[in-house]
Amino acid sequence: GDQVEQSPSALSLHEGTGSALRCNFTTTMRAVQWFRKNSRGSLINLFYLASGTKENGRLKSAFDSKERYSTLHIRDAQLEDSGTYFCAALSSGSWQLIFGSGTQLTVMP
Amino acid sequence: AQTIHQWPVAEIKAVGSPLSLGCTIKGKSSPNLYWYWQATGGTLQQLFYSITVGQVESVVQLNLSASRPKDDQFILSTEKLLLSHSGFYLCAWGGGLNSDYTFGSGTRLLVI
Repeated sequence: GDQVEQSPSALSLHEGTGSALRCNFTTTMRAVQWFRKNSRGSLINLFYLASGTKENGRLKSAFDSKERYSTLHIRDAQLEDSGTYFCAALSSGSWQLIFGSGTQLTVMP
Repeated sequence: AQTIHQWPVAEIKAVGSPLSLGCTIKGKSSPNLYWYWQATGGTLQQLFYSITVGQVESVVQLNLSASRPKDDQFILSTEKLLLSHSGFYLCAWGGGLNSDYTFGSGTRLLVI
């Protein structure tokens, strides 16, 4: 079935540095959404993309449906960016949002 | 603005007891509604979705059922809880054409 492979599972960054999270899809997806988990465990929407790229502050996301991947770039990481990030892809022809397994980001001083 | 409200916030229930979790969406007409579940240490997976009142589609069988009695209400329930039902339940709306998903604050369930 449709799968979403998210990497890395854990990432440590020093303040001020940056990196990228990636999700690969086993099939063509029609959209992707990136979330961050809040302190209660619920999901805060970061980006929704049907194609192309979007940027918001120090975060930037890209989605390539044809190449079957999406990325979330974090630049100038701050301590408050620490947390768990998820990607989720919308399966073509269905209402099913398929989640990646998450990336635990730790930003260190 | 649209708001999504889930209740209860948390529950501790005995095996074999019934369960009812609720979700209401305000400020949005005829939303697509979803239930998601995450076991401890597991991945979020979609359980049910509903496009309209009275219609619910099951995605994963977990001995749970869902109903949509009103346009703005989505209910998740079971007559008899299992230990394996423990976890975190999230309600969401959205997902139409070019529409993102918005999640509720979740219900944490512990079955003992």
